Amino acid sequence: GESVGLHLPTLSVQEGDNSIINCAYSNSASDYFIWYKQESGKGPQFIIDIRSNMDKRQGQRVTVLLNKTVKHLSLQIAATQPGDSAVYFCAENRGLDSWGKFQFGAGTQVVVTP
Amino acid sequence: EAQVTQNPRYLITVTGKKLTVTCSQNMNHEYMSWYRQDPGLGLRQIYYSMNVEVTDKGDVPEGYKVSRKEKRNFPLILESPSPNQTSLYFCASSSPSRREGYTFGSGTRLTVV
Repeated sequence: GESVGLHLPTLSVQEGDNSIINCAYSNSASDYFIWYKQESGKGPQFIIDIRSNMDKRQGQRVTVLLNKTVKHLSLQIAATQPGDSAVYFCAENRGLDSWGKFQFGAGTQVVVTP
Repeated sequence: EAQVTQNPRYLITVTGKKLTVTCSQNMNHEYMSWYRQDPGLGLRQIYYSMNVEVTDKGDVPEGYKVSRKEKRNFPLILESPSPNQTSLYFCASSSPSRREGYTFGSGTRLTVV
């Protein structure tokens, strides 16, 4: 989920379970969305993207769902592994004429427990 | 290896002393951007550039300058740093292919005392 405070929301998941991370985006004109993963001490890394003309996209162990009606994005991680522990950010590109103006959510900390 | 390289990784400076954080990419990307990351606030865009000599403000441009004289380089300049600019800074680059968004550097942790 999203947070405007100083503390990241945390999702604690048992190894092997599925994870669902949620994100509310702000701009109904946003045409492209990305999920990034950020491990400690590193820059964000691309996980999966989805265009606004789609409602679902699958990658390797990850699925992104887009609900434009309620401006909601989710990331599902199947069979969560210890290496999935990280902070996850959603990002939206704010419109067809503004490629590069990506706005990020506040992030969700995922902690995978054995 | 395709990458975005920022320098330095860590920097401690004093209020008012001009500094530059360098950023270079080897992917021939047209778009480059600077973000700052603060606890609980995610990444906020400072400036971005669509190509050489073309830049625009992001969401938090106050106190920062950028230049794009060459395609591969996009330095971030703090003319008179203040303690509220203490943050983790990321440079990123992207092609206009509208796939995979930005590729990020490893970050520069700046402390202004």
